[in-house]
Formats: sequence, C-alpha cells, structure tokens
Amino acid sequence: DAGITQSPRHKVTETGTPVTLRCHQTENHRYMYWYRQDPGHGLRLIHYSYGVKDTDKGEVSDGYSVSRSKTEDFLLTLESATSSQTSVYFCAISPRVSGGSYEQYFGPGTRLTVT
Amino acid sequence: AQKVTQAQTEISVVEKEDVTLDCVYETRDTTYYLFWYKQPPSGELVFLIRRNSFDEQNEISGRYSWNFQKSTSSFNFTITASQVVDSAVYFCALASTGSARQLTFGSGTQLTVLP
Repeated sequence: DAGITQSPRHKVTETGTPVTLRCHQTENHRYMYWYRQDPGHGLRLIHYSYGVKDTDKGEVSDGYSVSRSKTEDFLLTLESATSSQTSVYFCAISPRVSGGSYEQYFGPGTRLTVT
Repeated sequence: AQKVTQAQTEISVVEKEDVTLDCVYETRDTTYYLFWYKQPPSGELVFLIRRNSFDEQNEISGRYSWNFQKSTSSFNFTITASQVVDSAVYFCALASTGSARQLTFGSGTQLTVLP
C-alpha cells in the first residue's frame, strides 16, 4: 500500500464549471503524477511534480492546471470542464529519488463525468 | 519520442491455457525501464514487474514470466495455466532515465479467462 488517496472518487459536473481533484500521499515522495485513462488510449500523463511548487506539463495538459503547495498534496484543476474531460483520473507517486527504481504506484482513481 | 505498442486489444482464453501478451516499444535512449501493470475489473492499477534495459534475463514469478528481448524491442508477458482471476487489462509501460520518471503506457490488452 503506497498510501495514496484521491478525492472525490466520483464526480458529476456540468460543462463550464471548475473542478479540483485532490491527491494525497502519506510517505513524502518527491515525484507525483496525474494521468487520465480513456478507452483505447491507456494512461496519458497530464502533469507531474518533482517537488513543492515544481510542476511540469505532460502529454495532454491543455485545459488542466496543477498545484503542489505541500509535499503530500497534488491538486489537479479543470478550469472550465468540457465533455472531452470526462475520464478516469489517476494520481501516482514514484517512490525513490535515485537507485533506478522508476516504477509508479497509483491511487484508486477518480471517475469524472462532465455533462 | 517514446512509444509502446500493445497490438492485442482483447484476448480470450479458456482457464488453464497459457497466454502471452505482447509489448513492443520504441525509444532512442540506451538506458530505460520497462513495466507491466494489471488493472482488474475493480479498477485499481497494480504494479507487476520492472525490467532494466541492461538486464535481459528473463524472469519467472509463479505462473507469470517475462521475456525481454532488446534485439526486437519487445517485453512480452506470459501467464501459464491461466485462471479466471487473471482476467484484467494489462498495460506495458516504458520510462527513460532523466525524464522525471515519466511513464509512457501502451493502450492495454484486455484478457478474459473463461471458466
């Protein structure tokens, strides 16, 4: 158990509304990630963080922003939700700074529906 | 750019059959890591294995085995004597060193094991 929680687990929202998803970890890992999962696409990286206030864009970052003010929390915000952002969102952590251990461990996911 | 291809979208086998899931990757990096993840119907993502690019030894863990071949850029996953509980979506992923540990995922293979 990598100690990762996501909230909310399910959310239905309307087009044009802002939405914030929260990822919380209990083990002070430096690297955190947000992915979205859609049929036929696997998981695609939205944004990632390599420390407090250090974030960068991933493959599908348009329409999303992130913030990390504390080591344990990584927030994903949809400024103005669109139906194309209906998806399952996963948060992940990578547990080591060095040593070649690059695997990621994932939270339980948030299912977001934009109507 | 990195790419992971899982050409088998869906596979269906009868219990106790052996099944191999294919994964082909593309990268220009000389040092990289390959992974397999399992996503059962409950939706969580479970890390199964990591393989370093400089270690081409095959690995066996119980009914699972992995065949890494650098010459063909493949990292295939075999389940021996499949069981119904093996039914899941399986993802292959690739990470390069120095890339903030970003994972590039394949689109996944849905494995259904019939009783």
